[in-house]
Amino acid sequence: NAGVTQTPKFQVLKTGQSMTLQCAQDMNHEYMSWYRQDPGMGLRLIHYSVGAGITDQGEVPNGYNVSRSTTEDFPLRLLSAAPSQTSVYFCASSYSRQGTDTQYFGPGTRLTVL
Amino acid sequence: AQSVAQPEDQVNVAEGNPLTVKCTYSVSGNPYLFWYVQYPNRGLQFLLKYITGDNLVKGSYGFEAEFNKSQTSFHLKKPSALVSDSALYFCAVSRYNTDKLIFGTGTRLQVFP
Repeated sequence: NAGVTQTPKFQVLKTGQSMTLQCAQDMNHEYMSWYRQDPGMGLRLIHYSVGAGITDQGEVPNGYNVSRSTTEDFPLRLLSAAPSQTSVYFCASSYSRQGTDTQYFGPGTRLTVL
Repeated sequence: AQSVAQPEDQVNVAEGNPLTVKCTYSVSGNPYLFWYVQYPNRGLQFLLKYITGDNLVKGSYGFEAEFNKSQTSFHLKKPSALVSDSALYFCAVSRYNTDKLIFGTGTRLQVFP
């Protein structure tokens, strides 16, 4: 099993550009989440999904879109990048509800917005 | 609303000494509590969790944590620290039937030889 994979590992964007962060898991997990990690703030939930076709907002959803067309993939889209979105982004998956089950994290994407 | 606090940004301990990383929480109802560890340039890895039952929870790499309901705490402990334990540790809390896990700000553990 590859577990949770994320691409790219690093990305530099200019303000206003758009991009998609990719996340895939091969564990057949129903639940997937996106977090951002900022110094002194821990991890904050951006969006999550409880199954294919179902997504919901987390703590900090503004400026991000998600979709879940398959069980395996959960891409995160930045619509118009802003410097405030400079962060490290982690995707995670779990077999059952992410509030109660062990989450498996990807290696992260380090994003810089200039 | 759920919240979790990790009062120490950094904990320093000598190799071979016991270590404690503190965590307190606030949640309505019974909490579900987790500890995750992050090594440099890596994603988070699960260490242990408390759902119900015995207040002392044993996890990976010799770590354990004690759930204390009266003090609303879930401190992470290890009897004898290793240099390889140096990492960033996150406490997290949720409650029954929720899809949202709230993370603390993290505590950097530094174990000196």
